[in-house]
Parts: sequence; C-alpha cells; structure tokens
Amino acid sequence: DVKVTQSSRYLVKRTGEKVFLECVQDMDHENMFWYRQDPGLGLRLIYFSYDVKMKEKGDIPEGYSVSREKKERFSLILESASTNQTSMYLCASSPPGTFYNYGYTFGSGTRLTVV
Amino acid sequence: KNEVEQSPQNLTAQEGEFITINCSYSVGISALHWLQQHPGGGIVSLFMLSSGKKKHGRLIATINIQEKHSSLHITASHPRDSAVYICAVVRRIDTDKLIFGTGTRLQVFP
Repeated sequence: DVKVTQSSRYLVKRTGEKVFLECVQDMDHENMFWYRQDPGLGLRLIYFSYDVKMKEKGDIPEGYSVSREKKERFSLILESASTNQTSMYLCASSPPGTFYNYGYTFGSGTRLTVV
Repeated sequence: KNEVEQSPQNLTAQEGEFITINCSYSVGISALHWLQQHPGGGIVSLFMLSSGKKKHGRLIATINIQEKHSSLHITASHPRDSAVYICAVVRRIDTDKLIFGTGTRLQVFP
C-alpha cells in the first residue's frame, strides 16, 4: 500500500524553537507539498517541490522553509516557532502532471501546538 | 475572497437523510475534485469531474461549468459518512496545484 508518512501525529513546541516536520513517501513521486489546515480557511499551500533540491513558495511561505535532499523526503522547517503557527500540517505527494486525475496522496497530518 | 467557496460550513443530519454540499469557484478550471477527510486527518479522493455527473455508491457529484458550480450529494446518509468534505479545483492556467475550498463538516446522527 502506497504511503506518505509524517513523522509525528501530535507535537507541542515552545515559542522560538526550531521545529522540523518530516514527510517521507514510498511512491517515487516527483512532486511533494506542504499545506497547513486551519478552521474556516481550508488547506493553504506553504511550499512545494518538483524535484530533489528544488523548492517553490506556495501561498503562505512566511516563517517557513523546506528541504528536499532526497526524492522521498520533504522537510518543513519552522525557523522560530510562533503561536500563530499552531495548526494541522499536511504533506502530500504526486507524480508530475497528474492533478487532472488526482495523483495526490496525503499523509495523516501533524497537529502542531506552539505554546 | 476565496477562489473556491463551499456551503454550508457545517451540516448535521439524521441517518437516512439526503445531503447536499455546494461548491462555487471563480476561476477557469480544468478539473474539480471532491475529497473526504475523516477525523484521523487523512484525505482521500472521492471524485474528479470536468463535466456532467458521476456516481459512486450513495455519492453523486455534479458540475455545471457555465455556472462555475458543483454539488456533492449523499443519499441515505449514514453515521460513517461523518467527515469533512472538501472541494478542490485545478486552475486552467496553473495545472500543477490544487486550490482548496474551506471544507464542509458533516455529522450524521443515528
């Protein structure tokens, strides 16, 4: 069964901490995405990557960075966590050019609380 | 204003009721997806539409391209249908990303 695995389901961090959210996929997909999901706002794209070492800003990249050193792994980094980054974070992957046919596979999400 | 709007935001129903969730969008699209998210967080695809109507079991999805509107219907609803239903579109001018609606939280009571 194909999978996108996020390293933690729940995470509590302190304001100012550097936070790493890890995502690993086993489908050899080129595209990987990080979203945050907030009530009333839906899923918003933070960053995405079409290939190893490539990254593109999404709609809300401020306060975040990403790393993709290997094809299967896409990491989201909060350089200095703030309380407004408390959210559900979802990772997804897809083969290229498959949005028409919904090639997306989502991870189960990481619920991050910054205190 | 969001490019993809859903209504209602929250919906409660009694088991057996017919349910409709609406999605309106303001951009030209090449496809529209209906997704389901259960409380555990994972999101799965229900339908992809570019025209007309699709049916899968008790779920029916329709799209009217001219009116920029889609509906998801659930017949004979069941408590296991309780989930968040999300509409997402692929813009015609940028086919590499999905644009998501805010979701509709459905609760079906026995």
